[in-house]
Amino acid sequence: GAGVSQSPSNKVTEKGKDVELRCDPISGHTALYWYRQRLGQGLEFLIYFQGNSAPDKSGLPSDRFSAERTGESVSTLTIQRTQQEDSAVYLCASSPRRGSWGNEQFFGPGTRLTVL
Amino acid sequence: RKEVEQDPGPFNVPEGATVAFNCTYSNSASQSFFWYRQDCRKEPKLLMSVYSSGNEDGRFTAQLNRASQYISLLIRDSKLSDSATYLCVVNVEASGGSARQLTFGSGTQLTVLP
Repeated sequence: GAGVSQSPSNKVTEKGKDVELRCDPISGHTALYWYRQRLGQGLEFLIYFQGNSAPDKSGLPSDRFSAERTGESVSTLTIQRTQQEDSAVYLCASSPRRGSWGNEQFFGPGTRLTVL
Repeated sequence: RKEVEQDPGPFNVPEGATVAFNCTYSNSASQSFFWYRQDCRKEPKLLMSVYSSGNEDGRFTAQLNRASQYISLLIRDSKLSDSATYLCVVNVEASGGSARQLTFGSGTQLTVLP
């Protein structure tokens, strides 16, 4: 079956521009996560959606970052007024309904964002 | 102190060697533990969950020590294809119905040499 897909795969933008990144989770997965991974670094949690619950936005680094998700489908991560330090790979992951041991997260291939 | 800490490596080992990675976590309320693997310029993928009693999957053995708050991954008879970054991952279930995200360590880089 189809995995998590993300678009675009690569995005080059100029400092100060807004960008929108898209994530299509695996069908039926209620949980959706966004992470940022800078070159040579670990994953940095950004935001988490679980069904119709209020999202956990505790990882968003500034008010320039926002994300939306419609129901249990597509999510978009928007970065306004991009800065060079926003350059990173943005990874989306989805997970089925939470179980007692936590659930595996299935990652998309990521969007590589470069801010010039 | 980071919530999840790993030795970044790199670990360079010959084929056939046994290699072990350790990971420590700071939150004693952590409930679920995983090892993910990330190949160069690829997305992370689940390698194995870590159970309290320890578990094995072929050449891979994972162990959990709750008292000392560390997790380990042992790879026996390492193969060239094992070369990757290994991420230690910890989950804490928050109260109030808002499930906590997984916390990823920065990863340990392994290179298996021919």
